[in-house]
Amino acid sequence: GIQVEQSPPDLILQEGANSTLRCNFSDSVNNLQWFHQNPWGQLINLFYIPSGTKQNGRLSATTVATERYSLLYISSSQTTDSGVYFCAAPLLYNQGGKLIFGQGTELSVKP
Amino acid sequence: DTGVSQNPRHKITKRGQNVTFRCDPISEHNRLYWYRQTLGQGPEFLTYFQNEAQLEKSRLLSDRFSAERPKGSFSTLEIQRTEQGDSAMYLCASSLVGNYGYTFGSGTRLTVV
Repeated sequence: GIQVEQSPPDLILQEGANSTLRCNFSDSVNNLQWFHQNPWGQLINLFYIPSGTKQNGRLSATTVATERYSLLYISSSQTTDSGVYFCAAPLLYNQGGKLIFGQGTELSVKP
Repeated sequence: DTGVSQNPRHKITKRGQNVTFRCDPISEHNRLYWYRQTLGQGPEFLTYFQNEAQLEKSRLLSDRFSAERPKGSFSTLEIQRTEQGDSAMYLCASSLVGNYGYTFGSGTRLTVV
């Protein structure tokens, strides 16, 4: 089945630093999504980005579907950005929208 | 609408007992999904409903697991004869057909002792 690989597995940043998280997928997907899981376990949908670039405040995401990867940029990081970031996508021809998740990148932002 | 609601937030049970979790999706969402997440892993798909019909089940969903979505509204996930390996976070999400923008609930953390 499809493989979704994220890198790096973990990341420690000083507050104010920028970072880039990467998501590679092994097969054609559509409707790639990025999620943030906070320390209490809540998964928040950050971006729904099948292709191109989107920005939301200090966060932006780029998906290059033809090359099977997506990037999440975090600028001027804050301690509240800490948590685990997941990318996920349904298979291209899966009509049910079942998401395949990567293993996540655990981000820790230090004050 | 306050989003996707899951109850209980935490459940501790003895091995061999049955447990049931509830998920209330966003009211206008017709798709409802159950996922399981163990420590250090991404969520894994268990099953999903479109309205009241259960359309897909993962091989992870053994015979001890059953899910229902009567009337296409809330859903329940029951685990019979719990085992220690069932300890995990059980996540529910909902979406609209044709829109893959998921909304997740806060999850139910199950601990089997």
